[in-house]
Amino acid sequence: AQKITQTQPGMFVQEKEAVTLDCTYDTSDPSYGLFWYKQPSSGEMIFLIYQGSYDQQNATEGRYSLNFQKARKSANLVISASQLGDSAMYFCAMSPYSSASKIIFGSGTRLSIRP
Amino acid sequence: DTAVSQTPKYLVTQMGNDKSIKCEQNLGHDTMYWYKQDSKKFLKIMFSYNNKELIINETVPNRFSPKSPDKAHLNLHINSLELGDSAVYFCASSQDSTGELFFGEGSRLTVL
Repeated sequence: AQKITQTQPGMFVQEKEAVTLDCTYDTSDPSYGLFWYKQPSSGEMIFLIYQGSYDQQNATEGRYSLNFQKARKSANLVISASQLGDSAMYFCAMSPYSSASKIIFGSGTRLSIRP
Repeated sequence: DTAVSQTPKYLVTQMGNDKSIKCEQNLGHDTMYWYKQDSKKFLKIMFSYNNKELIINETVPNRFSPKSPDKAHLNLHINSLELGDSAVYFCASSQDSTGELFFGEGSRLTVL
């Protein structure tokens, strides 16, 4: 069975600091994709970044990077130079390639940026 | 043009009623989903359709019935609504095995 764990229900970070949001996963599939989504208070789900299990390099998208450690089964999201607009819920998700239509989500981390 | 659109965005109804939420995507994706987000923000997959065929049906009461008239539409019908059905329901679509989801704006259902 697949499982995604986000152990930080909430975090407070000072503006302009970097922040790491933790995500660990469990799957028996050899191939899978890992994602991060952002959900601001307005409620929409915004795709941030994707990492394939066979990708050699960690994914980066602007201020977002994914610290992928396959042996440890972790896929932490790093946000550099945090901004007030980064305050939101963040969800880690996984899609095993054998069942790409079954994308499961972690319980989320609420990130609050302090001015 | 909204890529994945859901209607209605808000729905308030009494216990026991039947209601539907509609979803349409104009991205040409083959796969569509319904997710339920509860009050604790936990997102749980309910159904997944690929080219109008049901491929994932998680442990969901059979009061919930998805219908996909074509691959651009996936509607969710709920019979005999219960208090515990109150949640935000997200429709989403994806194209390839990387599985990036494109979400609708969500439909907040409140059962009184």
